[in-house]
Amino acid sequence: SQTIHQWPATLVQPVGSPLSLECTVEGTSNPNLYWYRQAAGRGLQLLFYSVGIGQISSEVPQNLSASRPQDRQFILSSKKLLLSDSGFYLCAWSADSLNSPLHFGNGTRLTVT
Amino acid sequence: AQSVTQPDIHITVSEGASLELRCNYSYGATPYLFWYVQSPGQGLQLLLKYFSGDTLVQGIKGFEAEFKRSQSSFNLRKPSVHWSDAAEYFCAVGESNYQLIWGAGTKLIIKP
Repeated sequence: SQTIHQWPATLVQPVGSPLSLECTVEGTSNPNLYWYRQAAGRGLQLLFYSVGIGQISSEVPQNLSASRPQDRQFILSSKKLLLSDSGFYLCAWSADSLNSPLHFGNGTRLTVT
Repeated sequence: AQSVTQPDIHITVSEGASLELRCNYSYGATPYLFWYVQSPGQGLQLLLKYFSGDTLVQGIKGFEAEFKRSQSSFNLRKPSVHWSDAAEYFCAVGESNYQLIWGAGTKLIIKP
């Protein structure tokens, strides 16, 4: 069966420090991969999605970037964190972009101090 | 503009009572419709989805939803809630996974 792993579960980082959140999927090949941010009382905001290795689409201009160095690995990064980057970050995968459901990781709670 | 509205931020129901969570949307065409559930500190899990056909959709955990085109609604229902249903519920609409529009969520609280 397919599983998705996202780490770390929580992270506290000072302003101006770099960020690297990692997400890996097991049990499937060539998944579509997604990074979302969830703010309290608001819906999910799609940050990035990828349909293949090295293919990244950015939905929202921001201080973050994403990379997909391997088929089932998706990384969210920042060179210098801002206070506004605090939030709950979710990685997800789907078998395709159209009909198949999203499968989410358990998320990373990022606090920028 | 395309949007999804979940009018209720919180809903409290007694265990064993029926539940209806509302979702209204504004979209140019008939989109795909989804309900996801999120337990505290966790990711989201798909409850059910509507693409076409029968407008009453059955999902996991005893949930169902009805698509009403005339009302642009996709309300989620359950005849009898259990304490384990306490969670946050999200409605989403769109034509593809990378074009989904998400509601702000409804937090379900279960009274014993």
